[in-house]
Amino acid sequence: KAGVTQTPRYLIKTRGQQVTLSCSPISGHRSVSWYQQTPGQGLQFLFEYFSETQRNKGNFPGRFSGRQFSNSRSEMNVSTLELGDSALYLCASSLSGAHNEQFFGPGTRLTVL
Amino acid sequence: GESVGLHLPTLSVQEGDNSIINCAYSNSASDYFIWYKQESGKGPQFIIDIRSNMDKRQGQRVTVLLNKTVKHLSLQIAATQPGDSAVYFCAENLQGAQKLVFGQGTRLTINP
Repeated sequence: KAGVTQTPRYLIKTRGQQVTLSCSPISGHRSVSWYQQTPGQGLQFLFEYFSETQRNKGNFPGRFSGRQFSNSRSEMNVSTLELGDSALYLCASSLSGAHNEQFFGPGTRLTVL
Repeated sequence: GESVGLHLPTLSVQEGDNSIINCAYSNSASDYFIWYKQESGKGPQFIIDIRSNMDKRQGQRVTVLLNKTVKHLSLQIAATQPGDSAVYFCAENLQGAQKLVFGQGTRLTINP
């Protein structure tokens, strides 16, 4: 069974631009979560989607948004990029939510210049 | 690979020794706990989990202990091998919250 895939793996953007990251969950998984990982803050929860509905959102500004499609694939978008948005963005999928085993993808490394 | 933490607590052990990694969790109402391993350049990998109605769970070479009285979680790795070198994170979940809250992580290094 294929694991969680994330594209692109690496991305370089400049301040003020926007970016869209993609996540394909494991087949059959309906919950997709996104996390931001930085050396200073560690792993921080961004949001979680299940059956195209956002069920929970972390403490991030409105510049961070996401969505989930009917095939459970998910995208997250960051608008008006800031230097502090440089991070590893991780996607995790599970059958039904955070109370089940979550499988992480390799992440997208975003660098904002 | 990426650095997952510049100032992480570090545990150094001799190859073949047992390792114990500790974690203090934050929410006394959390009822599901997980340990993850993250190697350089990769996403976190599930190691073992435990629910709050248990205080010990064993896997292959790993044991997780849960002490709800002091909100403490530990991961024991038996006969540590070079491949165990990684950053280890504990995570907690409050049922219904649909998110994991991660600890800061511990870097485990293995001395030959």
